[in-house]
Amino acid sequence: ILNVEQSPQSLHVQEGDSTNFTCGFPSSNFYALHWYRWETAKSPEALFVMTLNGDEKKKGRISATLNTKEGYSYLYIKGSQPEDSATYLCAFQAGGGADGLTFGKGTHLIIQP
Amino acid sequence: DTAVSQTPKYLVTQMGNDKSIKCEQNLGHDTMYWYKQDSKKFLKIMFSYNNKELIINETVPNRFSPKSPDKAHLNLHINSLELGDSAVYFCASSYRGQGKNIQYFGAGTRLSVL
Repeated sequence: ILNVEQSPQSLHVQEGDSTNFTCGFPSSNFYALHWYRWETAKSPEALFVMTLNGDEKKKGRISATLNTKEGYSYLYIKGSQPEDSATYLCAFQAGGGADGLTFGKGTHLIIQP
Repeated sequence: DTAVSQTPKYLVTQMGNDKSIKCEQNLGHDTMYWYKQDSKKFLKIMFSYNNKELIINETVPNRFSPKSPDKAHLNLHINSLELGDSAVYFCASSYRGQGKNIQYFGAGTRLSVL
């Protein structure tokens, strides 16, 4: 059974502050690590897919890092805005790429004005 | 145009019935998936289907079966529905290739079994 752990489970951040949260995943049989943003009543929206140890990806104020040897990834949000409020999911993909994703339970982020 | 579309959006049915949820993608992807969002809002993989290769999550009851008439469609059939099948079901699709395999999700189908 694959285990993907995200922490914290929820997070309240003041508007303008920067924040980060973590994702732990198995370090064996690694194929890819995904980050998704999920707003209530919508479908999960892909942020990043990372495949190589040491990968860093950036999209606007959001960035992510990957350490496959120790099995963790960080997601960073710089200068949080109210529209960043959402659940952030990380997902581990094993095998040859046709395997589905094993999701963590998510970090529920609330940005307070 | 919606990239991954699921129908119906809502499905209310009685225990014991057989039902289907349809999924279509117009992205040209070669792999499609079904996920179940359980009561704790946790997304769990049920199936992935790539070029006639079906990978099944072993925890999925055999009352659930995916059917793929072509690369753009992966429908979910559920026989003898049970109360515990009530959940939101998400379809997704992607390319199979490292670095290209971002999954695009449909809007979900909320199934209520009475």
